[in-house]
Amino acid sequence: GAGVSQSPSNKVTEKGKDVELRCDPISGHTALYWYRQSLGQGLEFLIYFQGNSAPDKSGLPSDRFSAERTGGSVSTLTIQRTQQEDSAVYLCASSFGPGETQYFGPGTRLLVL
Amino acid sequence: AQSVTQLDSHVSVSEGTPVLLRCNYSSSYSPSLFWYVQHPNKGLQLLLKYTSAATLVKGINGFEAEFKKSETSFHLTKPSAHMSDAAEYFCVVSDSGGYNKLIFGAGTRLAVHP
Repeated sequence: GAGVSQSPSNKVTEKGKDVELRCDPISGHTALYWYRQSLGQGLEFLIYFQGNSAPDKSGLPSDRFSAERTGGSVSTLTIQRTQQEDSAVYLCASSFGPGETQYFGPGTRLLVL
Repeated sequence: AQSVTQLDSHVSVSEGTPVLLRCNYSSSYSPSLFWYVQHPNKGLQLLLKYTSAATLVKGINGFEAEFKKSETSFHLTKPSAHMSDAAEYFCVVSDSGGYNKLIFGAGTRLAVHP
């Protein structure tokens, strides 16, 4: 079956602009996670959704970062007023339920100039 | 708090020789542990996971890992390296929050030479 998909695969933006990153989880997966992979910080957790609610937003680095999930499916990660330090690969993962194996998408590579 | 330490940032082996990627974990409870692999410009793929059923865990592509509680280790091994094994490998522990937030090690880059 189809895996986790993310779009765009690459995004180049100018400092100060807003960006939206999209994640389509595996059908039927109720849990959805966002992670960030950067050279300086490695792989780090950002936010977790169970259904449409986000019980854990503790990994979001600043209030410029927000995420939502609608219909228990697609999720959008929004970064406002992007900064150069936001440049990273943003990874989405989904699992059948909380505590189940997470399956990762290919990521969105974000470059802020 | 849970954490993992990957003891080698780079490992280089010759094709056909054994692979050992080392990982130590820190956890205040019985952890779930994973190894993920990331090939260049590809997504993360689960190699294997430990969830207390058996201490020796077999994964895909001939990899296996042994959970040693006394040593707080979860080293990844493969008897014979293949060129296609060249990738970055992440040792991962799950958070105790009940929903399996993953905490990643820094990664080990494996190079395989002919």
